[in-house]
Amino acid sequence: DVKVTQSSRYLVKRTGEKVFLECVQDMDHENMFWYRQDPGLGLRLIYFSYDVKMKEKGDIPEGYSVSREKKERFSLILESASTNQTSMYLCASTRAGGGRETQYFGPGTRLLVL
Amino acid sequence: GNSVTQMEGPVTLSEEAFLTINCTYTATGYPSLFWYVQYPGEGLQLLLKATKADDKGSNKGFEATYRKETTSFHLEKGSVQVSDSAVYFCALLSRTYKYIFGTGTRLKVLA
Repeated sequence: DVKVTQSSRYLVKRTGEKVFLECVQDMDHENMFWYRQDPGLGLRLIYFSYDVKMKEKGDIPEGYSVSREKKERFSLILESASTNQTSMYLCASTRAGGGRETQYFGPGTRLLVL
Repeated sequence: GNSVTQMEGPVTLSEEAFLTINCTYTATGYPSLFWYVQYPGEGLQLLLKATKADDKGSNKGFEATYRKETTSFHLEKGSVQVSDSAVYFCALLSRTYKYIFGTGTRLKVLA
């Protein structure tokens, strides 16, 4: 059974803290993604990665960075957390391929920045 | 650009009622189309998908048909259950391999 795990289900951080969100997949997928989910806005892509050490900006990368040192792990970093980054963060992965791939999602991390 | 529009919720139905959640898309070429479901407190999981025009995706009693002429991918179920209460997302995978999600439709089924 495919699996995407995220390091925390709930996090509470203070403004200005550096925050690390970890995502691990066990499917040997090439592609990994970070989204944030907000009511009324659906899912918005923050960053994605098509290979180890490779990253591409999504639609809303400001205030975030990512790291992919190993194929199975994709980390999202909030360099200096702000209250407007309070959100649900979802990690996903897919295999590389010809355009029919299903995304597999982790359970999400609900982050509250005070 | 590519986009997905789905009906706003919440949708509230009685058990065994018929469900339709509308989804239309804008895209160049022939994207793959998906419905994902998110149960309370969980991430998204694939419900069904269709990869070319006139394909019908189906799973757990849900169906959706890829209609190129109307650029639609409406989700239907003949008889909903309380356990179907969730948020449903329509999505497309564009020719540039970018996933585009709708804003989600919350379904509440009452016993």
